[in-house]
Amino acid sequence: DSGVTQTPKHLITATGQRVTLRCSPRSGDLSVYWYQQSLDQGLQFLIQYYNGEERAKGNILERFSAQQFPDLHSELNLSSLELGDSALYFCASSQVTGGYGYTFGSGTRLTVV
Amino acid sequence: GNSVTQMEGPVTLSEEAFLTINCTYTATGYPSLFWYVQYPGEGLQLLLKATKADDKGSNKGFEATYRKETTSFHLEKGSVQVSDSAVYFCALSVTNQAGTALIFGKGTTLSVSS
Repeated sequence: DSGVTQTPKHLITATGQRVTLRCSPRSGDLSVYWYQQSLDQGLQFLIQYYNGEERAKGNILERFSAQQFPDLHSELNLSSLELGDSALYFCASSQVTGGYGYTFGSGTRLTVV
Repeated sequence: GNSVTQMEGPVTLSEEAFLTINCTYTATGYPSLFWYVQYPGEGLQLLLKATKADDKGSNKGFEATYRKETTSFHLEKGSVQVSDSAVYFCALSVTNQAGTALIFGKGTTLSVSS
């Protein structure tokens, strides 16, 4: 157990729908990062939150949004889902100071049918 | 900009063979470098890291040396095992006030047969 908890582990939904993925960071970590992993695009950085505030944006679509709550858990919202959104979504967390890498959760596998 | 380039896989080896997975990077400043491993059905796990030039990271028999002159961080293992079969990701980090931003390569799949 890495200490980063992601729920649900699997999600199957239809095109056009909206889903919410949840992440609880490792205890003491203030930064949360979301990544999308697909076969063709590899591991793509989506967005970073630090202590409730958005800090960095990567290749995140406008249909996607995220937030980090006062208890530091984070949610990634995916709307108007398309078949191409099917992927593994990973959450990771880190301490404030850098150089030590991230701790990853086990991911949420999203299948859009 | 910052980027990481890994050798494309899959890499297929027999047990006890020598492993090299090449990784080069482009970065502004002085990044830290990492290798992550992803076993089937699992998330990414930190394998090893190096935070400055000439540092050698090592773990579980794997090694990688931070080479600033060649902007490389190649992963090596002297004798691979079947249990090493996984996807390996090279990554670099850029540190800002909020923490680290990790940029990953596309990953290299290693398959080891007995």
